[in-house]
Amino acid sequence: DTEVTQTPKHLVMGMTNKKSLKCEQHMGHRAMYWYKQKAKKPPELMFVYSYEKLSINESVPSRFSPECPNSSLLNLHLHALQPEDSALYLCASSPHPSGKLGEQYFGPGTRLTVT
Amino acid sequence: ELKVEQNPLFLSMQEGKNYTIYCNYSTTSDRLYWYRQDPGKSLESLFVLLSNGAVKQEGRLMASLDTKARLSTLHITAAVHDLSATYFCAVDMRGDSNYQLIWGAGTKLIIKP
Repeated sequence: DTEVTQTPKHLVMGMTNKKSLKCEQHMGHRAMYWYKQKAKKPPELMFVYSYEKLSINESVPSRFSPECPNSSLLNLHLHALQPEDSALYLCASSPHPSGKLGEQYFGPGTRLTVT
Repeated sequence: ELKVEQNPLFLSMQEGKNYTIYCNYSTTSDRLYWYRQDPGKSLESLFVLLSNGAVKQEGRLMASLDTKARLSTLHITAAVHDLSATYFCAVDMRGDSNYQLIWGAGTKLIIKP
């Protein structure tokens, strides 16, 4: 299995809702990432999990809460989002956080719309 | 602070032509990646360049890395419409226990029949 999966593909939520994004990989990768991407922009790193521990939090608002239940799963819990949070949310994984091969494998993304 | 600059940011070209996208970065790194993104889709890894002088080719695309010049190029040969996409380069920035990618702004490539 050489892919990263994400669910749901699309999500529309109100500003008072609570929802979660899910990411899964079965490649044995030990680093997992959440990115946010706005249209016509490069991805912006949000969080990095290294060996299931949060290692980077790029000053992301607390309305985004990551969780890594195990080495294959990564969740992003969403609460009280703002319309400007509407974006494509991408999950990625890489074999080893500080290894020689740093290539990141991206999931298909979740298109989030906040109304 | 590591900065990555791509140029051009937008490129419209005719099928059959050749062109090059440039990726410059500001501090030492010996790992550079090229990704492709189709509209509304995720990022697809194209090339991983791990050392000075690395050259990789896949079909009509060829990528190279010059770590001394801090420059990578993505060359398109005899472009076809299917290559229309946005291309990103990204450079590895190493931290204490992990690394993160610093991204260029992307080059939107449109290939006209």
